[in-house]
Amino acid sequence: QKEVEQDPGPLSVPEGAIVSLNCTYSNSAFQYFMWYRQYSRKGPELLMYTYSSGNKEDGRFTAQVDKSSKYISLFIRDSQPSDSATYLCAMTLAGNNRKLIWGLGTSLAVNP
Amino acid sequence: GAGVSQSPSNKVTEKGKDVELRCDPISGHTALYWYRQRLGQGLEFLIYFQGNSAPDKSGLPSDRFSAERTGESVSTLTIQRTQQEDSAVYLCASSLEAGLGGNEQFFGPGTRLTVL
Repeated sequence: QKEVEQDPGPLSVPEGAIVSLNCTYSNSAFQYFMWYRQYSRKGPELLMYTYSSGNKEDGRFTAQVDKSSKYISLFIRDSQPSDSATYLCAMTLAGNNRKLIWGLGTSLAVNP
Repeated sequence: GAGVSQSPSNKVTEKGKDVELRCDPISGHTALYWYRQRLGQGLEFLIYFQGNSAPDKSGLPSDRFSAERTGESVSTLTIQRTQQEDSAVYLCASSLEAGLGGNEQFFGPGTRLTVL
């Protein structure tokens, strides 16, 4: 079993839809949770990060962490064609952010 | 420069040849990371440098892989006697300081390596 599981998709939605992206993990010691966005032929860029459990909102993006279920989510409201990319979750232990443990990434296409 | 740069952007080589990949981190970033991203797979940690400390090489897949960093600047990843399974995108990232949870890593565009 991989430490982090993420459905690779692809996921295709119409413009304006609410998108839900998810990861599950097995190591209960993970404390920091991140979502990166990767456009084709580009390096990943950090979208959001959260510490421990709870929600964090930034514009159209909301990140949720449920440590009891070992489950994290990224919601995108009013999705736009420019949101079309691969979304990777990553997580790490407290005090040891050197090795991010990554999900496979979910490919998202938002159709105009 | 404004961001992390990597060169070359693409490299095609023959099996058995050695290759060198270069990474220029963001100025002032003390931590530097190398990752490998195979098609359809997640990012695989290779090696990490933090200032003058000994690098964490625990992710290097074999002794054919090595990396160096000069101070807090340029890093090179060397793959000797390349094999077809080495074909992947090699990503470099830098961050201000490691050891702080959630510290953002800034990625370069990657080097796409193809071993024929």
